[in-house]
Amino acid sequence: DVVMTQSPLSLPVTLGQPASISCRSSQSLVHSDGNTYLIWFQQRPGQSPRRLIYKVSNRDSGVPDRFSGSGSGTDFTLKISRVEAEDVGVYYCMQGTHWPRTFGQGTKVEIK
Amino acid sequence: EVQLVGSGGGLVQPGGSLRLSCAASGFTFSTTWMSWARQAPGKGLEWVASIKEDGSDKKYVDSVRGRFTISRDNAKNSLDLQMNSLRAEDTAVYYCVRGVVSPGLWGQGTLVTVSS
Repeated sequence: DVVMTQSPLSLPVTLGQPASISCRSSQSLVHSDGNTYLIWFQQRPGQSPRRLIYKVSNRDSGVPDRFSGSGSGTDFTLKISRVEAEDVGVYYCMQGTHWPRTFGQGTKVEIK
Repeated sequence: EVQLVGSGGGLVQPGGSLRLSCAASGFTFSTTWMSWARQAPGKGLEWVASIKEDGSDKKYVDSVRGRFTISRDNAKNSLDLQMNSLRAEDTAVYYCVRGVVSPGLWGQGTLVTVSS
């Protein structure tokens, strides 16, 4: 199985400051169709996961532009340019290229 | 409204069975892969199973293969997960999910508790 490794697992951030989460995969996530299926989810307390980013860097409709995704191959990053109070929650990366689909352990973002 | 509504969770004894259902609305159900994912209490997310648009292909995570069966009824816009030989480690919130390469819609989740 493809192992997805996130860091850090806990991220205390000051309001208005940037935040960055790393996600590394044990195998390349480039699919045979040429796409790279790396997804980022946000899970607020008590809620279902919400997709933020798909195919590495494509932001979902309604997702604030302070969220951005980047990377390639096996190394990916989610950045929040200026953290707001509503960004508190756990962030997961997931790969949709190989079976079985696998997730990172999750990164808990909290306000200092 | 585009949504997935899961149901069927509850308390079951080890070794028992349970069937989860998911009602889809607001999108063309028959043209998309569907999946189930789960989250144990206080833990991370785990992919459980996926089924192709026409039901001809099914994928399972190793830990549930042979015990769980995913199925769908495109005429009723519904997705099911039959869970047999349940174990304590299957205790989790189970989410119905649309998609399989970039899953973009998650249901509200239904809690399954396996305990004597």
